[in-house]
Amino acid sequence: GDSVTQMEGPVTLSEEAFLTINCTYTATGYPSLFWYVQYPGEGLQLLLKATKADDKGSNKGFEATYRKETTSFHLEKGSVQVSDSAVYFCALRRGSSASKIIFGSGTRLSIRP
Amino acid sequence: DGGITQSPKYLFRKEGQNVTLSCEQNLNHDAMYWYRQDPGQGLRLIYYSQIVNDFQKGDIAEGYSVSREKKESFPLTVTSAQKNPTAFYLCASSIDRSGNTEAFFGQGTRLTVV
Repeated sequence: GDSVTQMEGPVTLSEEAFLTINCTYTATGYPSLFWYVQYPGEGLQLLLKATKADDKGSNKGFEATYRKETTSFHLEKGSVQVSDSAVYFCALRRGSSASKIIFGSGTRLSIRP
Repeated sequence: DGGITQSPKYLFRKEGQNVTLSCEQNLNHDAMYWYRQDPGQGLRLIYYSQIVNDFQKGDIAEGYSVSREKKESFPLTVTSAQKNPTAFYLCASSIDRSGNTEAFFGQGTRLTVV
C-alpha cells in the first residue's frame, strides 16, 4: 500500500542554519505530495504542495521538489528562524478514485536562538 | 470566514460513556476526514467520507462511528468500545475526491478519559 517515510526527529538547529527534512514515498501512479506544519496544540496547516514530477512547491522560504526518480519530496529552508519550530508532516494523495491522504510520522523541529 | 470548526476544544469522558465530536465546514467541500493523533506520533485515519450519505472505514475505525447526513457536517462518536480513546482528534476536508487538492484542518479536539 501507499506509504510515506520521514526522517526521525527531533531535529534541533541554531537560528539561520540550513534545514533539510527528508521524505520518501511509496505509491502507485502519480500522487500529489504535500508538506504540512503543526504548531503546538493546533491543527495542521498546508505549507506547500506539488502535483506532478519536477514541480517545486514553495512558501515562506520553504521549498520541496517532487522527484519521481528517487520518490522523494525533501523539505528545505535556507535560513531557519525560531518561529519555524513546529512539527512537519509529509503527505501524499493519489490522483485516482481513492480519496485517502497518507501522512508520514512527522518530524519535530526545534530552533535555538 | 470560511473554514473548519471543531468543537469542543477539550472534552473529558468518563469510562463507559459515548461522546460525540463535532466537525462543521463551510467550504462546500465534498470530502471529509477524521484523524487521531497520539503524543509524538503521526496521524492515523479513522473514517472518511467522499460524499453525503457515504463513508468508509480508515485504518483504526474500531470503537468509532460517524455519519454524513449533511455536506457540511461529519460528527465522530467515540464509543465505549474504544479502549484507549485519550488522544487529539483532527477533522479535515478537501474540495473534491481527486488527488490533487489539499486537505484543510480544524483546530482539533483533545479528548481525555477521566
